[in-house]
Amino acid sequence: EIVLTQSPGTLSLSPGERATLSCRASQSVSSNYLAWYQQKPGQAPRLLIYGASSRATGIPDRFSGSGSGTDFTLTISRLEPEDFAVYYCQQYGSSPWTFGQGTKVEIK
Amino acid sequence: EVQLVESGGGLVKPGGSLRLSCAASGFTFSNAWMSWVRQAPGKGLEWVGRIKSKADGGTIDYAAPVKGRFTISRDDSKNTLYLQMNSLKTEDTAVYYCAYAFDIWGQGAMVTVSS
Repeated sequence: EIVLTQSPGTLSLSPGERATLSCRASQSVSSNYLAWYQQKPGQAPRLLIYGASSRATGIPDRFSGSGSGTDFTLTISRLEPEDFAVYYCQQYGSSPWTFGQGTKVEIK
Repeated sequence: EVQLVESGGGLVKPGGSLRLSCAASGFTFSNAWMSWVRQAPGKGLEWVGRIKSKADGGTIDYAAPVKGRFTISRDDSKNTLYLQMNSLKTEDTAVYYCAYAFDIWGQGAMVTVSS
């Protein structure tokens, strides 16, 4: 099973700042099948990025994904008030599919 | 409109069983790989399992904590996904989501396992 470790656990930033979230896999993610989600309290997750770097439909271009193999990054170029939430990475390259434990982006 | 609607959640005693349903609309369900994901109160997301489309072999995979106790199935004639949960444990308490391509999610069904 591929274990995904996200860092940091919490990121305290101000609106307008840049956010950089990390997701490290215990072994290489096949075909870079790595997704990122945003989740707000009481809501279902929202797909942001798939295939490590492709934005899902309707996702603003301030969200970008990068990386390959075992190291992946989600970058939010300029934080908007609605971006403060919990973010999860997930690999779907090999079974069982697995999620990281999440990074909370909070207002500083 | 593309939509997933879960039903069947509730309170069950440890060792009991429950079946969740996920009704799909707005897309070709028979071609879809469908997943179940759960989230315990205050915790992160946990993948439960996935069923491929029949055209892709219909393979079903499960996460280790539920393997042997949970069964995923589908009825393409009814556009419905199922999660049969047996031998439930208190640690199975969670909101259960069905998901399509991880881009479309249901609203979630709460399952509480408690005596």
